[in-house]
Amino acid sequence: GQQVMQIPQYQHVQEGEDFTTYCNSSTTLSNIQWYKQRPGGHPVFLIQLVKSGEVKKQKRLTFQFGEAKKNSSLHITATQTTDVGTYFCAASFGNEKLTFGTGTRLTIIP
Amino acid sequence: NAGVTQTPKFQVLKTGQSMTLQCAQDMNHNSMYWYRQDPGMGLRLIYYSASEGTTDKGEVPNGYNVSRLNKREFSLRLESAAPSQTSVYFCASRPPDRGSYEQYFGPGTRLTVT
Repeated sequence: GQQVMQIPQYQHVQEGEDFTTYCNSSTTLSNIQWYKQRPGGHPVFLIQLVKSGEVKKQKRLTFQFGEAKKNSSLHITATQTTDVGTYFCAASFGNEKLTFGTGTRLTIIP
Repeated sequence: NAGVTQTPKFQVLKTGQSMTLQCAQDMNHNSMYWYRQDPGMGLRLIYYSASEGTTDKGEVPNGYNVSRLNKREFSLRLESAAPSQTSVYFCASRPPDRGSYEQYFGPGTRLTVT
């Protein structure tokens, strides 16, 4: 089946440092979404990227969609303790279903 | 507006027992989904329903059945539970297609099979 690789699996950063997680697919994506899951919680939608080369920002979060629509990244500038959680990308290959990456768990060292 | 609700929150089953996980949404969404989440595996799609009366298999359907009872409710049944089905189960729904595939998740059911 279609898969989405997400790296790294874990990231520990000092508070105030930056954080980036990457998703890659061998197949062109229709669109890609990003979700955040707090410890013990459920995934919550952050954003959807549709266009080739698209860049969107939400405060300290920057989301990018690759020119070939096969990769995406989420970058957090100056992390805060509220950023703790697992970040998932979720890819659509043009149908009803989403394929989730394995997630990157972010922990913050105060 | 409660969003997506799931019951129960926690469940412990013995191998071979059956149970049904309930999911309901009050957002008038057409599409509904069942996922399981295991450590290091992300979320894997079990079944989905694009509309009332239709269901389709996802990535890991074996050992599960679903029923789309009406537009609001989508249940997941384990006929004969196995330890490999120990997981966290999430139900999700999606609004009618307006170019967004955003999914809204319920709080999850934590299932342990011994």
